[in-house]
Amino acid sequence: TQLLEQSPQFLSIQEGENLTVYCNSSSVFSSLQWYRQEPGEGPVLLVTVVTGGEVKKLKRLTFQFGDARKDSSLHITAAQPGDTGLYLCAGHTNAGKSTFGDGTTLTVKP
Amino acid sequence: DAGITQSPRHKVTETGTPVTLRCHQTENHRYMYWYRQDPGHGLRLIHYSYGVKDTDKGEVSDGYSVSRSKTEDFLLTLESATSSQTSVYFCAIRSGQGKGYTFGSGTRLTVV
Repeated sequence: TQLLEQSPQFLSIQEGENLTVYCNSSSVFSSLQWYRQEPGEGPVLLVTVVTGGEVKKLKRLTFQFGDARKDSSLHITAAQPGDTGLYLCAGHTNAGKSTFGDGTTLTVKP
Repeated sequence: DAGITQSPRHKVTETGTPVTLRCHQTENHRYMYWYRQDPGHGLRLIHYSYGVKDTDKGEVSDGYSVSRSKTEDFLLTLESATSSQTSVYFCAIRSGQGKGYTFGSGTRLTVV
């Protein structure tokens, strides 16, 4: 069973600060996705990374896939209250198996 | 307009009663999934389907069964609900392996 460890589990910051969330595993994944979930709703896909070392940007969010495709990070620049939510990473193998991390709960205070 | 809807959104049921949750999609996707989300456990796969009448177990399938008689509908049944099945249940779809999931809004189930 592949395990995905996310850190930190909880993060509370002030508006305008930068932050990084990590997703680590000992397993190699063919692709990895990041989702954001708001209270009372299902997770929403933010990005998919498939190539080792790949970096993708989505406005103030920067996603990176590790060179060995075992880990990933999400960096948010100048966080805003609208970024508040639960951030989940999910790794996928070539065998069709998916594993979700337990998530990072981010609170951005105005 | 969501391509995936779950019903009901909330349900309270008594221990020992059967419960069926419904997932409906309008995307014609082949793959459908049922997950449960609990604090400290993240999203755990219960069952999934890769086509009509083709289903398989996930990591936490005990006490649950599923059926998919049409492409658009995937039903999750708790044969005899227990308090440990109190959770938020999410249905998800995707067009292929490795593709992103689209999740429903969830069903909050409380077993008393």
